Amino acid sequence: EPEVTQTPSHQVTQMGQEVILRCVPISNHLYFYWYRQILGQKVEFLVSFYNNEISEKSEIFDDQFSVERPDGSNFTLKIRSTKLEDSAMYFCASSVSGINYGYTFGSGTRLTVV
Amino acid sequence: GENVEQHPSTLSVQEGDSAVIKCTYSDSASNYFPWYKQELGKGPQLIIDIRSNVGEKKDQRIAVTLNKTAKHFSLHITETQPEDSAVYFCAARSTGNQFYFGTGTSLTVIP
Repeated sequence: EPEVTQTPSHQVTQMGQEVILRCVPISNHLYFYWYRQILGQKVEFLVSFYNNEISEKSEIFDDQFSVERPDGSNFTLKIRSTKLEDSAMYFCASSVSGINYGYTFGSGTRLTVV
Repeated sequence: GENVEQHPSTLSVQEGDSAVIKCTYSDSASNYFPWYKQELGKGPQLIIDIRSNVGEKKDQRIAVTLNKTAKHFSLHITETQPEDSAVYFCAARSTGNQFYFGTGTSLTVIP
């Protein structure tokens, strides 16, 4: 069964450092997403990406965040200057269509900012 | 925006019994409601979904019901097995692409 692959599985970084979280969506999917889950809290939407541009973003997705699809397979989330409160599980997801389709999620990257 | 509430937060059932998880949503424009199962160390996996023009959907031991008038939807798992133990999330999608998730239900099936 096709999978969404995320690397690394766990990242520890110093506060103020930049991190890049990587994702390889399912190959025939056209819509890509990042969500995060702070420990004990809801899964929260960050951003959706379609046709090489951001189609939707939440209030969480401020100027310190950016996404990129640098080639035909990778989809990355960059956090420019990490803060302690950025510590969370970050999930990448992809879907065939943007309407009325469930996502396929990756296994997540646990980001710990110290 | 949409607000999804989920109950209970934890649920323990004996193997073979049924489990029911309930969610409510606030936005009457929401039209797609998936359920995800998250096992330890893994990402959420879609297990069943329902669209707003359908009242009930079944897939083997799993069923989902939707009451649009009351704005609530429920997941029903029958004949539970130990491998059903996981965290279950409901979600709703309104206009736009993003999902709004519930807070999750940790289901434990006791052998």
